[in-house]
Parts: sequence; structure tokens; C-alpha cells
Amino acid sequence: DAKTTQPPSMDCAEGRAANLPCNHSTISGNEYVYWYRQIHSQGPQYIIHGLKNNETNEMASLIITEDRKSSTLILPHATLRDTAVYYCIVRVAGAQKLVFGQGTRLTINP
Amino acid sequence: DTAVSQTPKYLVTQMGNDKSIKCEQNLGHDTMYWYKQDSKKFLKIMFSYNNKELIINETVPNRFSPKSPDKAHLNLHINSLELGDSAVYFCASSQDPSSLGGYTFGSGTRLTVV
Repeated sequence: DAKTTQPPSMDCAEGRAANLPCNHSTISGNEYVYWYRQIHSQGPQYIIHGLKNNETNEMASLIITEDRKSSTLILPHATLRDTAVYYCIVRVAGAQKLVFGQGTRLTINP
Repeated sequence: DTAVSQTPKYLVTQMGNDKSIKCEQNLGHDTMYWYKQDSKKFLKIMFSYNNKELIINETVPNRFSPKSPDKAHLNLHINSLELGDSAVYFCASSQDPSSLGGYTFGSGTRLTVV
């Protein structure tokens, strides 16, 4: 699976959009981008995934650049409950496991 | 109704003891996993079972023995516990091993070996 690079930490004001970047410059054509988050003392939670098109669900939006070398997870109106570690994971189709990196610690400030 | 449930939530035990952690999922998934999160918060896969069969064993010491009596359950037994086994252990499940859908994780078991 391709390696991902995320900033170790970010801050965002409550009510604002939180934009979390992820670089995956070595991604190959059959690798998907996944986002998970882990709120303190809880298990990781699936957020969203995509291949090349932008995706949106009730939790977030995923914007993947046209060359697929980077992506951004957008939480449109961040709340205090969105404070968590966010993991960007690249996973090849058919892979039998999910490999976590260090993630970005996002803190939402009141 | 919890999708992936683990018991116990906390476990404190002495070095050398043997302990088990249980996991159950009610999602009808075929595949279950054990992950370990150490003190540095790094999440690492340990085992994966698909329909009761072991498909991933990530170079975990033999003291760790997973058991899957049916596809809804995956238990983790640890023999001769060591201080370094202290961590949070997460169980997870997915539709199948290579499912494009997300994994569902349990809330974790915090194991402390003293």
C-alpha cells in the first residue's frame, strides 16, 4: 500500500470547516483512499473512502486531486465532538487488511 | 444494540498470568480482526479471521492465540502475560477480507500488566 503523509496536528474553530490534508504521491491506480477517526478512548470509526471521484456522506466530504497524489477530508461544520485523531489510509483493492499510520490530531476549539 | 462488543473493557493482571478477551459482532460480517494500540497510540493489526479461518497472522508471539468458534466471535487468549503486552486491544469486523466497505471497530479492551 502507498505511504501517506499527514500533519501531526491541526486546530480548527468550532463551527468552521475543518480541512485535513493527506499526501499519497505514490498511490497507484487500484488504491483507494480511506479516512477513519479515533475519538479519545474509543475504537476507530470509518468516515469515508474514494477512488478518484469526490465523495460526500453525512459525516464528511472527500476531495481527491485529479492526479490522485493528495486528498482532503472536509468536516463542513466542525463541533467539539469532532476532536479526534484522523487517519488517512491508502489501501489497494483486494487488500485483506487496513494499515494505520500516525494520523492527524485535530482539535476543535470553542 | 452494539455492533462489535468486547469484554472486558478493562483488565488488570499480573505478569505470568493467562487471560482472554472476547469479541462478538452482530453485523453478519464474515471477517474479524484483532488490532493492538500501544502506548504511542500506534494501531497495528495482529490477526484476521474469515469465516472461522485464520488469514492474517502478523508475526505475533505464540503466547497470543486467537480462537473463532463461529464467524460472529473472535476471542484472544494470551498466555504468560508480559509487561510489554500492556496496550489497548481492538476487535473489528468487515463484510469480507477485501471488502471495500469500512471496518467496524469495538470500543477496545485496556490491558494493564503489572
